[in-house]
Amino acid sequence: AQSVTQLDSHVSVSEGTPVLLRCNYSSSYSPSLFWYVQHPNKGLQLLLKYTSAATLVKGINGFEAEFKKSETSFHLTKPSAHMSDAAEYFCVVVGQNFVFGPGTRLSVLP
Amino acid sequence: NAGVTQTPKFRILKIGQSMTLQCAQDMNHNYMYWYRQDPGMGLKLIYYSVGAGITDKGEVPNGYNVSRSTTEDFPLRLELAAPSQTSVYFCASSSLDREGMPFFGQGTRLTVV
Repeated sequence: AQSVTQLDSHVSVSEGTPVLLRCNYSSSYSPSLFWYVQHPNKGLQLLLKYTSAATLVKGINGFEAEFKKSETSFHLTKPSAHMSDAAEYFCVVVGQNFVFGPGTRLSVLP
Repeated sequence: NAGVTQTPKFRILKIGQSMTLQCAQDMNHNYMYWYRQDPGMGLKLIYYSVGAGITDKGEVPNGYNVSRSTTEDFPLRLELAAPSQTSVYFCASSSLDREGMPFFGQGTRLTVV
């Protein structure tokens, strides 16, 4: 069975500083992993996906994530936060179904 | 391309009423899913389908039913609505292979009073 842990329920950063949102997964085989973003009262938008190709994945809006099998991690990063990045972020592991993490709320302070 | 279309966007139900949330996709995806998202929480899988005529329970199926008579449509039925079913419901679809990322509808916000 697959599972996802997002270690921080809330992360707060200042505008222009780096963002790190942590995700650890559990899977019985080599997984596919996604990051989705959800802005307030909106649907879910795919940020990036890892599907066993390059371990460093670049996504939209300057986000990227690195797959580390030895650490079973897929942390999401961005070098410089923007106010528009404030949203809920979900890490997703693909097994028989798509298993969502509980989400991390990112706040960006001016 | 329409992608995944959910209707209605908003609905208020009285306790004990029933309704069907509609979901349609035009991408010829085999996999379809229904999730619910409670305030401040992640998404929980209600039901899923791997193809027309095949459905299976997810994590939180109680109080819901689904059918999949065509590849395009995957309606979710609520019988005897309860306040605990107040939530935002998301339908999603994906292609058959494991690299197929799920596409989500815009959600249906349901309130049971």
